[in-house]
Amino acid sequence: EAQVTQNPRYLITVTGKKLTVTCSQNMNHEYMSWYRQDPGLGLRQIYYSMNVEVTDKGDVPEGYKVSRKEKRNFPLILESPSPNQTSLYFCASSPRDRGVGTEAFFGQGTRLTVV
Amino acid sequence: EDQVTQSPEALRLQEGESSSLNCSYTVSGLRGLFWYRQDPGKGPEFLFTLYSAGEEKEKERLKATLTKKESFLHITAPKPEDSATYLCAVQAGDNFNKFYFGSGTKLNVKP
Repeated sequence: EAQVTQNPRYLITVTGKKLTVTCSQNMNHEYMSWYRQDPGLGLRQIYYSMNVEVTDKGDVPEGYKVSRKEKRNFPLILESPSPNQTSLYFCASSPRDRGVGTEAFFGQGTRLTVV
Repeated sequence: EDQVTQSPEALRLQEGESSSLNCSYTVSGLRGLFWYRQDPGKGPEFLFTLYSAGEEKEKERLKATLTKKESFLHITAPKPEDSATYLCAVQAGDNFNKFYFGSGTKLNVKP
């Protein structure tokens, strides 16, 4: 089954404690991206990756890091989380020929709370 | 500034009552407009891609249309299972990897 898998689904952490949210896809897609979803603001792109070792900033990259060492994995790293990063996070992947967001497959989401 | 606005924020329909959702955009260099459906607790699910003004796409009770400034998602004779949040997104600019979402329209179809 084609899918994008995020872990964990729910996470409560304290300010400043480094955390990683994992994302893995099994469709051999070149493009992957991370979004955060906040009430009234919609989905906002954090980072995206066009292929292994190729990443770039989206609209709201501050406070986040990513890496793409393997095609299937695209982890999101919060090195020093703050309460304003409390949000619902989605990872997405899509095939190469039409760009990052086109016909994207989304994961189930990770609900992060930073206290 | 590139912007995507969806209206209404919420819409309640009776089963069988047709209506339309609106997505207006102000972006430089539109590359594509996309509609997604999002159910509670789940990630968005792709519905349609539209690339040029005048284009239309259909899927079951849904029909998406595109003009130079806006897109409509028409829902014909909706059923309760069509209840969801519908998201619009645009791919724009010289860097076609930039992707902007609207905040969505929450549709509730009552039997």
